[in-house]
Amino acid sequence: NAGVTQTPKFRILKIGQSMTLQCAQDMNHNYMYWYRQDPGMGLKLIYYSVGAGITDKGEVPNGYNVSRSTTEDFPLRLELAAPSQTSVYFCASSYQGARNQPQHFGDGTRLSIL
Amino acid sequence: AQSVTQLDSHVSVSEGTPVLLRCNYSSSYSPSLFWYVQHPNKGLQLLLKYTSAATLVKGINGFEAEFKKSETSFHLTKPSAHMSDAAEYFCVVSSKTSYDKVIFGPGTSLSVIP
Repeated sequence: NAGVTQTPKFRILKIGQSMTLQCAQDMNHNYMYWYRQDPGMGLKLIYYSVGAGITDKGEVPNGYNVSRSTTEDFPLRLELAAPSQTSVYFCASSYQGARNQPQHFGDGTRLSIL
Repeated sequence: AQSVTQLDSHVSVSEGTPVLLRCNYSSSYSPSLFWYVQHPNKGLQLLLKYTSAATLVKGINGFEAEFKKSETSFHLTKPSAHMSDAAEYFCVVSSKTSYDKVIFGPGTSLSVIP
C-alpha cells in the first residue's frame, strides 16, 4: 500500500519557469491538501479539495493552481516560478475533513528557485 | 483568530529521560487537537489526536498528551526518550470556521543525547 506519493522529490527551477508537482493517493480518500513548509513556520495550506472536481483556496494560494479530475490525483501547478516559492511542498489526504480525520502525508518535494 | 503556540522551538533531552513538548492554543470553542511527528526528509505522521473524548490521549511509540481546557494546553509527553524520537513535532488545532482545515504550530525540534 503506497499511501501518498509525491513526485519529483527534488527540483531546481529558474525564475519564470513553470512546473507541476504530482501527488497521488491510493487510499480512496475524498480530501486532498497541498501545504508548503518554510523553516520555523509550520505548514501553510495552499489549496485543498473535498472531492473530484472541487477545489478551494487555502491561506497562501497566490502563484499556484490546482485541479482534481480524479479521486486519486491532485497536481499543483506553478506557472511563473519566483524565489519566494522556494520551499518544501507536502501533499496530504484524508477520508473526511481534517477536523476529525488524521491526514496522511507524502514525503515532500523540495523545490529551489534560483 | 485561531493560533497554535509551541513554546519551545528546540528541546534537548538525554536518552532515557522524560520528554515534554508544550503546546497552547487559542480557541473560543472546543477544538480537535493533534500531534504529528516529522523525521528528517520525511512527511508528517500522526502521533495522536484529541476529539472531545478522554482528556488523556495515548498515541504511538509511548507518547501521550493531556487536553486541559482551563489552560488551553495540549502538551506532549513521553516517560523515557529513545534515540529514534529525535524529530520535529507539530501541534495542530482544528479550524473553527472550516470542517476541512487545520492550523499547524511552528514545530518543536527534539534532540536526544546518547
